[in-house]
Amino acid sequence: DTAVSQTPKYLVTQMGNDKSIKCEQNLGHDTMYWYKQDSKKFLKIMFSYNNKELIINETVPNRFSPKSPDKAHLNLHINSLELGDSAVYFCASSLTGTGGYEQYFGPGTRLTVT
Amino acid sequence: AQKITQTQPGMFVQEKEAVTLDCTYDTSDPSYGLFWYKQPSSGEMIFLIYQGSYDQQNATEGRYSLNFQKARKSANLVISASQLGDSAMYFCAMRDPNFGNEKLTFGTGTRLTIIP
Repeated sequence: DTAVSQTPKYLVTQMGNDKSIKCEQNLGHDTMYWYKQDSKKFLKIMFSYNNKELIINETVPNRFSPKSPDKAHLNLHINSLELGDSAVYFCASSLTGTGGYEQYFGPGTRLTVT
Repeated sequence: AQKITQTQPGMFVQEKEAVTLDCTYDTSDPSYGLFWYKQPSSGEMIFLIYQGSYDQQNATEGRYSLNFQKARKSANLVISASQLGDSAMYFCAMRDPNFGNEKLTFGTGTRLTIIP
């Protein structure tokens, strides 16, 4: 009964490669997010989608391209991977509104670029 | 722009003692929300507690309570009767009021270690 799932959990690849991370939520939420957590544990929003529409693109290099085929899925494709892309990438989802709707996070994908 | 500050990079606390993790924030918007998340060594992010800026009472969830002092712009997390399983990173976050719930800004986190 996983609420927010991500695949793969670990991803090791070489510089210059292209890779994708998949995310799915079964909570019926209408908004999904990608966050990046760097080696110092700092978490920063990258993108958010509401009902398949891009809401936030937080000055992320255009090598990163999110795609939301439906509101339950938000995938992240990364082109021409660089060493600095090594991080943990978290997918999250929530309801949208003015209430205290917490974001539910996936388990994270640890990306290592060598 | 919003800002969240957590000034304690690390804390060591004896088991069964109460813990206060500090969080201050800066926003000019009267409507905002504050969240606390726990990240154990296994890596997942676990929601703990939420406080809305218009909530009259401090939020509580089991052993967690939020000491919300609006005038001081602080939202400290209090964990009562700490347990070994409380050892983790703790993040304070603020919901960006300009986008509803679509964005959280996180602090740098506090690493809490509970000593037996």
